[in-house]
Amino acid sequence: LAKTTQPISMDSYEGQEVNITCSHNNIATNDYITWYQQFPSQGPRFIIQGYKTKVTNEVASLFIPADRKSSTLSLPRVSLSDTAVYYCLVGVAGNMLTFGGGTRLMVKP
Amino acid sequence: EPEVTQTPSHQVTQMGQEVILRCVPISNHLYFYWYRQILGQKVEFLVSFYNNEISEKSEIFDDQFSVERPDGSNFTLKIRSTKLEDSAMYFCATFLDEQFFGPGTRLTVL
Repeated sequence: LAKTTQPISMDSYEGQEVNITCSHNNIATNDYITWYQQFPSQGPRFIIQGYKTKVTNEVASLFIPADRKSSTLSLPRVSLSDTAVYYCLVGVAGNMLTFGGGTRLMVKP
Repeated sequence: EPEVTQTPSHQVTQMGQEVILRCVPISNHLYFYWYRQILGQKVEFLVSFYNNEISEKSEIFDDQFSVERPDGSNFTLKIRSTKLEDSAMYFCATFLDEQFFGPGTRLTVL
């Protein structure tokens, strides 16, 4: 299973764009990259998933370079309610098993 | 939006007792999972279940744990003889195009 490395924590202010980068140097050819958000005492919530290049949905964008050894989750114009832990997972779709430590994002007013 | 439900939301038990945690997956999903999260720690994979059998399990998922889908709808996690260190949030998840997590069951072992 590909291991992921993320910053432990990040601070931001309301209205700013936040970029969280995840390293996954030993990603396999079939692996997808998925990001989850987790609030205290709640289950992780799917944010976005991608394989290569750029994926965008209504809440975030995911940038994946050509070598796929890293990925960046971009949250546009964060609000206080985006304060959460963000996890990057790498694996075959349907078998995303290993959560790393995640990045604790604190959004300040 | 479809959702995974879990019962109970909170379970308190005495050490050595058996507990059964229940999950109702999203109806057309094919893969089912249990994860746990000890307070303040990361989410840990326990087991995945597909086509009515375990497809993968972690080293945490020892002989004290079992899973089943008794009636084709509910998906259960049983801990036969709970230990203090089993105290955690237990999350059920199901997958079709993306993985949906339930709200979790907080298990407290005294």
